Amino acid sequence: AQSVTQLDSHVSVSEGTPVLLRCNYSSSYSPSLFWYVQHPNKGLQLLLKYTSAATLVKGINGFEAEFKKSETSFHLTKPSAHMSDAAEYFCVVTIYNTDKLIFGTGTRLQVFP
Amino acid sequence: EAGVAQSPRYKIIEKRQSVAFWCNPISGHATLYWYQQILGQGPKLLIQFQNNGVVDDSQLPKDRFSAERLKGVDSTLKIQPAKLEDSAVYLCASSLGGHTSHEQYFGPGTRLTVT
Repeated sequence: AQSVTQLDSHVSVSEGTPVLLRCNYSSSYSPSLFWYVQHPNKGLQLLLKYTSAATLVKGINGFEAEFKKSETSFHLTKPSAHMSDAAEYFCVVTIYNTDKLIFGTGTRLQVFP
Repeated sequence: EAGVAQSPRYKIIEKRQSVAFWCNPISGHATLYWYQQILGQGPKLLIQFQNNGVVDDSQLPKDRFSAERLKGVDSTLKIQPAKLEDSAVYLCASSLGGHTSHEQYFGPGTRLTVT
């Protein structure tokens, strides 16, 4: 069965420093993987998605993620954090050949000035 | 384009009462989803509609939860009677069709507190 594990429940960074949010996946098949962001009192927004094309995926707001099959990882990165990046981030995998989303437990990103 | 609309945004009820949530998807989106997000967890799919038909309701607690999507547009999710463990944010999402390539767009959610 497909699943994702977000390795950190909370991450704190200073504004202007790099962001790394870690996600490992488990899948019997070549997975489709996503990162969603949830700002307080707002809906979930798709940041980026991997669907077996390029392993380095660029998303919105300067975020990117790299699919590493050997490590079963799909970590989210950003070179320089901004205050507006403070939010909850979810790593997501789909059930094979369907649109069913399986969410991780989330990582809360705090950005300090 | 207008996003997914949900109402109410917040609801507080006592256990054993009933409650209903409303969702208006993005115009033209055939697929509609209801998710439950318990505090500290990721969203979990409750039910999926394709137009006005149910595609997947395997995770819907049917003894107390019901949902409908009349005319294939708006949808309502009802809980009757509510339990304490139903306290959560209920998210509605819509997409063009039920395929991985079709992005799901989420509404702001309804935060339910059961006391």
